[in-house]
Amino acid sequence: KQEVTQIPAALSVPEGENLVLNCSFTDSAIYNLQWFRQDPGKGLTSLLLIQSSQREQTSGRLNASLDKSSGRSTLYIAASQPGDSATYLCAVKEGNFNKFYFGSGTKLNVKP
Amino acid sequence: GAVVSQHPSWVICKSGTSVKIECRSLDFQATTMFWYRQFPKQSLMLMATSNEGSKATYEQGVEKDKFLINHASLTLSTLTVTSAHPEDSSFYICSASSSGRAYSYNEQFFGPGTRLTVL
Repeated sequence: KQEVTQIPAALSVPEGENLVLNCSFTDSAIYNLQWFRQDPGKGLTSLLLIQSSQREQTSGRLNASLDKSSGRSTLYIAASQPGDSATYLCAVKEGNFNKFYFGSGTKLNVKP
Repeated sequence: GAVVSQHPSWVICKSGTSVKIECRSLDFQATTMFWYRQFPKQSLMLMATSNEGSKATYEQGVEKDKFLINHASLTLSTLTVTSAHPEDSSFYICSASSSGRAYSYNEQFFGPGTRLTVL
């Protein structure tokens, strides 16, 4: 069964810092990987989607990379802002089952 | 991007009653919808997958008679928590995907969630 792990569980940084969130998964036979943001008591907002054939995706200050063979993905946030404070979740989708397996999330706090 | 709505956003009910939660895809046809639950400070756990017009597929450990799922149309799925008990209190989130949206590559779009509190 696919297991998704996110490190660190929590991260607190001063505003303006660049940071990296890590996601690892045990079964490399994935269809795609998606990064989400969740604000307290709210649903999920999709940030970036990387197909299994892709190496990275970028959107604004966010860059996500995927190394399928090693079972890893990173989310890079440049010039962090207090508004980036949220929990970041990664999820992998397995090809034939259309299921998402979620990591436990990284709770980010960006201090002004 | 695609929009998924849930109703209600929060509900409080008495133990033993049933609660229905709706999940709608507002601007696309959702061939598949997913229901998740999330306990405080934990990640999302998939409960079931529903395809339009067919029975839902439940994950191991999820009681299908307690969590009734109906996906009667391409834009609506419902989750009914029957005979709810305090341990069913949780945050329920649905998501939807469409194989017809070529540019989204089966991307999942999530609803805002429903907070259920059972007294």
